[in-house]
Amino acid sequence: DTEVTQTPKHLVMGMTNKKSLKCEQHMGHRAMYWYKQKAKKPPELMFVYSYEKLSINESVPSRFSPECPNSSLLNLHLHALQPEDSALYLCASSLARGASGNTIYFGEGSWLTVV
Amino acid sequence: QQQVKQSPQSLIVQKGGISIINCAYENTAFDYFPWYQQFPGKGPALLIAIRPDVSEKKEGRFTISFNKSAKQFSLHIMDSQPGDSATYFCAAMETSGSRLTFGEGTQLTVNP
Repeated sequence: DTEVTQTPKHLVMGMTNKKSLKCEQHMGHRAMYWYKQKAKKPPELMFVYSYEKLSINESVPSRFSPECPNSSLLNLHLHALQPEDSALYLCASSLARGASGNTIYFGEGSWLTVV
Repeated sequence: QQQVKQSPQSLIVQKGGISIINCAYENTAFDYFPWYQQFPGKGPALLIAIRPDVSEKKEGRFTISFNKSAKQFSLHIMDSQPGDSATYFCAAMETSGSRLTFGEGTQLTVNP
């Protein structure tokens, strides 16, 4: 089972709202990722967690706050977003961070619209 | 700085034809090269991947060709089908890294 599950699939939020995106995997993977994808563009890395600790933050604005409660779960907390933050947010996981041939599996994504 | 260049941006192929997508990279530390397939409204799905110690890898109708000296790799889809219509991303990763560096993507349309 190579499944990364993301909820919700669609989210519309106002610029003053606080919401969260959730991600879950049960593959025993110890590295988890958040990517952002705009239309007709490749995914862009936002955050990397390795063994439940934040290891990479790609200079993401603080209005995006990641959290890794345990090895199977990854959250992305959203607050005071801007309309330009509207995008597909992808969660991904891999067996471990780095290591050549380390397959990264993506979820279906959460479509976020900021109004 | 774009480290993986992908071409063409879009590709139209007739059913049964061969689809070819090319990528070139600059960073010689890259040593893992996956291809992802993405359908509209879905997340990217790993299609096939190669390491630079082999020059070709085939899985069903999909083949990766790899030219280490030229720093180029390509995806060939044989007997292309309408169901193959999707966006294809090449990518690259360093052994010690966590970042997938993606190409800009190729939108493939296979006409019936």
